[in-house]
Amino acid sequence: AQSVTQLGSHVSVSEGALVLLRCNYSSSVPPYLFWYVQYPNQGLQLLLKYTSAATLVKGINGFEAEFKKSETSFHLTKPSAHMSDAAEYFCAVSDPSGTYKYIFGTGTRLKVLA
Amino acid sequence: GAGVSQTPSNKVTEKGKYVELRCDPISGHTALYWYRQSLGQGPEFLIYFQGTGAADDSGLPNDRFFAVRPEGSVSTLKIQRTERGDSAVYLCASSLRPGQPYEQYFGPGTRLTVT
Repeated sequence: AQSVTQLGSHVSVSEGALVLLRCNYSSSVPPYLFWYVQYPNQGLQLLLKYTSAATLVKGINGFEAEFKKSETSFHLTKPSAHMSDAAEYFCAVSDPSGTYKYIFGTGTRLKVLA
Repeated sequence: GAGVSQTPSNKVTEKGKYVELRCDPISGHTALYWYRQSLGQGPEFLIYFQGTGAADDSGLPNDRFFAVRPEGSVSTLKIQRTERGDSAVYLCASSLRPGQPYEQYFGPGTRLTVT
């Protein structure tokens, strides 16, 4: 069965600093992986997705993630944090069994310090 | 174009009451998902529709929860005899069709509070 672990429920970075949000997955088959962002009182917005093409995936707002099969990881990074990046970030794996429902991690709340 | 919409945005109800939550998916999307997000948690899968039929309802917590999608578009999540533990944000998502690379598009959610 698929599962997702996000290390660090809260991460704080200074404005302009590197953002690194961690996601590890377990999957019995090649996974499809997603990062979503959730701003307060809003729905989930897709940042980027990995669907077995390039292992380095670029998304919106300057975010990118690298799929590392050997480490079962899909960490999200951004070279320089902006105040507007403050939000909650969720990593998800898609169940390939036929429904493609998402299994989400518990989320990481990113705080950007001025 | 229009995204996924959900109504109401907020619902406060008393323990034991019945509630209905509505989801309008993106036009043309055949796959529809319901998730529940409790405070401090990631969304958890409830039910998946492909067209009009519930193809996977394995996430529904008990038989008080039921969902329909009679015409293959709008879906309604129904909760009977609500309990305080049902308080959460209920998210709806739609996808062009199940499978890859068809990502899910989420609505803003309905915040349900059971008092």
